[in-house]
Amino acid sequence: AQRVTQPEKLLSVFKGAPVELKCNYSYSGSPELFWYVQYSRQRLQLLLRHISRESIKGFTADLNKGETSFHLKKPFAQEEDSAMYYCALSGIGTGRRALTFGSGTRLQVQP
Amino acid sequence: GAGVSQSPSNKVTEKGKDVELRCDPISGHTALYWYRQSLGQGLEFLIYFQGNSAPDKSGLPSDRFSAERTGGSVSTLTIQRTQQEDSAVYLCASSLVPAGGSDEQFFGPGTRLTVL
Repeated sequence: AQRVTQPEKLLSVFKGAPVELKCNYSYSGSPELFWYVQYSRQRLQLLLRHISRESIKGFTADLNKGETSFHLKKPFAQEEDSAMYYCALSGIGTGRRALTFGSGTRLQVQP
Repeated sequence: GAGVSQSPSNKVTEKGKDVELRCDPISGHTALYWYRQSLGQGLEFLIYFQGNSAPDKSGLPSDRFSAERTGGSVSTLTIQRTQQEDSAVYLCASSLVPAGGSDEQFFGPGTRLTVL
């Protein structure tokens, strides 16, 4: 069975502070990991995926297979980063493309 | 072009009634997914369509839930004899499914279902 765990329901930081949203997963095969974000009154959208190894809006995430983690990081938080963040896993290697989501972390960036 | 669209945006129904939720995926996307977003439950997978293959129904919570995809495009999720625990936001997503590659799922705005 595949599972995604986001231990924090709410993370509150001040503008300019570093941010780390935690994500751990369990999967027997080789997973694909994603971070999706939902801003207020907007639809869910992809933020980044581990295979791209890119930085989007200053966010990065590294897949650590040893620790089965895919934490999302940003060195300096901005107020516009306030949103709901979901870590998700896809077992594409097994043909299962449907996403398994974590329960989400709400990031609040205070001025 | 337009993104994924869903209708209705809101649906209020009485317990025991049937409801139909519609999803129009992005043109050309061969994969279509339904998810449910409930308070306290997070986002859960319901059903997945890929081209002409048999759908993956492994996420449907009961036999009151069913979905179809006509002509490889529009999909309808049907909930029969609705219960209060069916109240949630139902999200549809579509993706292009590149061969051997990772595909980004594009989400619709959702249908908020309230069962009284």
